[in-house]
Amino acid sequence: ETGVTQTPRHLVMGMTNKKSLKCEQHLGHNAMYWYKQSAKKPLELMFVYSLEERVENNSVPSRFSPECPNSSHLFLHLHTLQPEDSALYLCASSQERNTEAFFGQGTRLTVV
Amino acid sequence: GENVEQHPSTLSVQEGDSAVIKCTYSDSASNYFPWYKQELGKGPQLIIDIRSNVGEKKDQRIAVTLNKTAKHFSLHITETQPEDSAVYFCAPSGTYKYIFGTGTRLKVLA
Repeated sequence: ETGVTQTPRHLVMGMTNKKSLKCEQHLGHNAMYWYKQSAKKPLELMFVYSLEERVENNSVPSRFSPECPNSSHLFLHLHTLQPEDSALYLCASSQERNTEAFFGQGTRLTVV
Repeated sequence: GENVEQHPSTLSVQEGDSAVIKCTYSDSASNYFPWYKQELGKGPQLIIDIRSNVGEKKDQRIAVTLNKTAKHFSLHITETQPEDSAVYFCAPSGTYKYIFGTGTRLKVLA
């Protein structure tokens, strides 16, 4: 248990569905991240939030929409996804720059 | 953008032998150099890190060495055990952007 919790652990969705991934941390960290992990690109940075403000959007398609309502919670809203979006989505948090990042166990997403 | 490469991509060693994984990066502003271990079904976990003002750091069987001039740092695991089998990632950083390397799958053969 790393202190970062992701739900759900597994998700199967159709291409026309809308779903959300949730991440929660109670470590008092001020930065949160979304990563995509697939066979093609092992750990691909998607979004970074620092003090609830998005500081990085790594050219991610608009069908992925992040939300950070407070420093403890991070969401990834999904809509009209493609089969190639199937992957493991990992959330992480850190106290400040250049310190250890703590990862959740990930959400295994399958788009059918 | 930042370019991070790891070598080798896969590594098999006999139990008790040593393993070395190298990470090469391009961003000269990087000043934090961590190594993460990812076991099956889990997210990556930090195993050791080093900052740019230090050349080497050791923690029991694990060590990291840094060559900032040449822009590479290496993970050294001695006396490998079956539980060291996992995927290892480097993630050199100078900002909030933790850019991960391509990963090295280590197999320790009993």
